Amino acid sequence: QVQLQQSGPGLVKPSQTLSLTCAISGDSVSSNSAAWSWIRQSPSRGLEWLGRTYYRSKWYYDYAVSVKSRITISPDTSKNQFSLQLNSVTPEDTAIYYCARLVHGHFDYWGQGTLVTVSS
Amino acid sequence: EIVMTQSPATLSVSPGERATLSCRASQSVTSNLAWYQQKPGQAPRLLIYGASTRATGIPARFSGSGSGTEFTLTISSLQSEDFAVYYCQQYNNWPCSFGQGTKLEIK
Repeated sequence: QVQLQQSGPGLVKPSQTLSLTCAISGDSVSSNSAAWSWIRQSPSRGLEWLGRTYYRSKWYYDYAVSVKSRITISPDTSKNQFSLQLNSVTPEDTAIYYCARLVHGHFDYWGQGTLVTVSS
Repeated sequence: EIVMTQSPATLSVSPGERATLSCRASQSVTSNLAWYQQKPGQAPRLLIYGASTRATGIPARFSGSGSGTEFTLTISSLQSEDFAVYYCQQYNNWPCSFGQGTKLEIK
C-alpha cells in the first residue's frame, strides 16, 4: 500500500519561498513506472497541477506554465521523498497543496494535503 | 490547454436513487479521463480511470462511460457516504486538467 506523508510550514510570507516535502512509503521515488507530482487546490483556481518528476534512466522534470519560472521539484533518493519549492509567493499562491503519485496519467495516491497561507 | 466542464454544479439526489454526473472536454481526450471523489477535509480519491475502469477497492455502484468529449459518471444507488464533490480529469494532452467539480448533495 502506497502512502504519501506531507510536511512543511502552513504560513509563508509574501516574496518568500514555499517549501513542502512528500515522504513515500510502499513505492520508490526512482520507480520506472510512476511519476511524482504536486497539485494545489484553491476556490479561485480549483485543482491545478503544478509539476512532476520521474526517473527513466535519468531524472525528468515537467512544470505547469503558470508557475514554471518559480517552481522546483526535487527527488531525494536517500530519503525516498520529493519536495516542492515555489519562489516569490504572493497571496494568490494560498491553497491546499497535495503531493500525488501519477501513473499512466491519473493520480492514484495522494498525500493528506497542506494548507499554505501566504500572508505577512 | 484542454478545458473540462462539469455539469451540473450541484446535484440533489435522494439516498438509494441514481446519480448521473457529466463532464465535457473542449477537444477530444479519447478515453484518457479519470474521476475523483473528494470529501470535506480530505484529498481527492481516484474512482475511475480510462473513462470506465474502476480503481482498486471502488464499489461496483460507480461506473464511468463515454469517450472523445462527453463523459458520464453514474452512481447506481446512492449511499450516505457518496455525498461529496466529484471531479473529472483529462490526461490525453499534457498538462492534465481538471473540471471545476459537481457537488452531490442529499435531497
